[in-house]
Amino acid sequence: QVQLVQSGAEVKKPGASVKVSCKASGYTFSSYGISWVRQAPGQGLEWMAWITAYNGNTKYVQKFQGRVTMTTDTSTSTAYLELRSLRSDDTAVYYCARDYSNYVGASDIWGQGTVVTVSS
Amino acid sequence: EIVMTQSPATLSVSPGERATLSCRASQSVNINLAWYQQKPGQAPRFLIYGASTRATGIPARFSGSGSGTEFTLTISGLQSEDFAVYYCQQYNDWPRTFGQGTKVEIK
Repeated sequence: QVQLVQSGAEVKKPGASVKVSCKASGYTFSSYGISWVRQAPGQGLEWMAWITAYNGNTKYVQKFQGRVTMTTDTSTSTAYLELRSLRSDDTAVYYCARDYSNYVGASDIWGQGTVVTVSS
Repeated sequence: EIVMTQSPATLSVSPGERATLSCRASQSVNINLAWYQQKPGQAPRFLIYGASTRATGIPARFSGSGSGTEFTLTISGLQSEDFAVYYCQQYNDWPRTFGQGTKVEIK
């Protein structure tokens, strides 16, 4: 079945970097965009960025530009999100999510989430 | 960026009743609007896209309407599994943005 499986929980110190992976299965990875969405404890959903493995195009929320890098590996159908210069307010659950289609940018399939804790 | 505003923040409804959730966009998003349901400790669940089209497997008691800047999610005959937080999201423009959520709780 179509699914996205994310890497495990991470604990990082302020100023460090974290790299979260999102492995796709059950569909043609390069045919769909992937969004990254985060959710701080007790808060709502925050859309961060988007990438398509088709041609590597990316979109970012301005606040993350310069701190976030997204990549894809089509050989393993895996997307990656790297967040640098971590701060305590980056503590959140990070989700990857697949675009429903090329024309509908809603997210139909979600990963299970990766908890990232930033603490000294 | 387009700001999405949901109301109310919390909606108290009795099982079997109807819930009406609102979502407003700061500028037109046409019908490029989706709704999601999220329960504690779970990833969001895709409910509706194109403002009114139910995703695969979503029960008919969930319906969406609206276009431009005003949107509504209606849940008819609330069941116990429907008590959750609901988010709207626009995908008409970058960055794609979410509303802050409406919590539907048992009255």
